[in-house]
Amino acid sequence: AQSVSQHNHHVILSEAASLELGCNYSYGGTVNLFWYVQYPGQHLQLLLKYFSEDPLVKGIKGFEAEFIKSKFSFNLRKPSVQWSDTAEYFCAVSLAYSGAGSYQLTFGKGTKLSVIP
Amino acid sequence: DTGVSQDPRHKITKRGQNVTFRCDPISEHNRLYWYRQTLGQGPEFLTYFQNEAQLEKSRLLSDRFSAERPKGSFSTLEIQRTEQGDSAMYLCASSLASSGSPYEQFFGPGTRLTVL
Repeated sequence: AQSVSQHNHHVILSEAASLELGCNYSYGGTVNLFWYVQYPGQHLQLLLKYFSEDPLVKGIKGFEAEFIKSKFSFNLRKPSVQWSDTAEYFCAVSLAYSGAGSYQLTFGKGTKLSVIP
Repeated sequence: DTGVSQDPRHKITKRGQNVTFRCDPISEHNRLYWYRQTLGQGPEFLTYFQNEAQLEKSRLLSDRFSAERPKGSFSTLEIQRTEQGDSAMYLCASSLASSGSPYEQFFGPGTRLTVL
């Protein structure tokens, strides 16, 4: 079964600092990769997704992620964070084929990001 | 934009009682998913429907759990004889099967269950 590891439990940054959140997955086949964000008091929202195209994916609000297949990684980046980016970020993977187990998302444990004004 | 809605948003119950949650997906979405999220963890997959057919169930879904999607629209998740370990946020998501992006799931706000 696939699994997802997020390296940082809680990251604290000052505004304008650069952000990189780590995500590694374990699965030998082709995958779809996602980053979801949960702002305080709100539901999970899709930040960006990778569907086997360009390995550098751009999402909403200036976020981007790079899929490095050889490292099984899909790290999330933002060059300059804002206070409004304070949220919990979840990396998720699904299997890229049509069959049993392919439709479920497997999530990491999440990384809380606190941005200090 | 009517997203995924869930009802109730919060439920407090006593151990041994039955509870039922409802999920209304985005109207044109034919796939519906249930996940459970406990404190400090990411969401964990429970079950998945395509239209009215329940196609997959996780090992996490014990015999006390049952889910339905009777007309391929809304879904219900029932937990019988609740236990304190059932306390969690129950999330519903939906997606549209198409050639474009079949795997993008849209999440609802969740139902927070507390079992006393």
